[in-house]
Amino acid sequence: NAGVTQTPKFQVLKTGQSMTLQCAQDMNHNSMYWYRQDPGMGLRLIYYSASEGTTDKGEVPNGYNVSRLNKREFSLRLESAAPSQTSVYFCASKKDILNTEAFFGQGTRLTVV
Amino acid sequence: ELKVEQNPLFLSMQEGKNYTIYCNYSTTSDRLYWYRQDPGKSLESLFVLLSNGAVKQEGRLMASLDTKARLSTLHITAAVHDLSATYFCAVDKTSDMRFGAGTRLTVKP
Repeated sequence: NAGVTQTPKFQVLKTGQSMTLQCAQDMNHNSMYWYRQDPGMGLRLIYYSASEGTTDKGEVPNGYNVSRLNKREFSLRLESAAPSQTSVYFCASKKDILNTEAFFGQGTRLTVV
Repeated sequence: ELKVEQNPLFLSMQEGKNYTIYCNYSTTSDRLYWYRQDPGKSLESLFVLLSNGAVKQEGRLMASLDTKARLSTLHITAAVHDLSATYFCAVDKTSDMRFGAGTRLTVKP
């Protein structure tokens, strides 16, 4: 039972490079999320997708784009990476947008030099 | 804007002692969640609280929700070393889920 799978687990980028973080869930969940975690700041919401075909901005969307490719997959793209985007990124999914717990992937540790 | 505040942010406890972590939030919501994160790991769901007065217990942890006070508590009873982790509360408001900064709990012998 895979749950939520993120790739890659680790990545080092140079400033200005682009990359896409992949996330897939096999629980038939409707809602998916991207968070970043920085020391002392908890998790901050970047973007979310309440259901297939919709995406919305969270607290800290600048510098990121997302695609809800289908019900299973939700990708996060950094078009031009900056050192301030060094963080641990978590993808999560929920059965529905409200009233249910979220399941998290294992995280992607991204370093931008 | 929805804000979620936890305190304390750091907690060092002795084994066998009791303590409470507090989670305050800024707007009305009936849905609150508690998660646990071990160092270098992902987040694991502990409790889902969906109504005023909800109380859930699992082992040495008990969570409660007071929507009128916009407050949830996570009570630890007779702490053991295995409870050492970071604990997060999170609140649903309309479509997104916002997290507190986390409470890093260390249980010492």
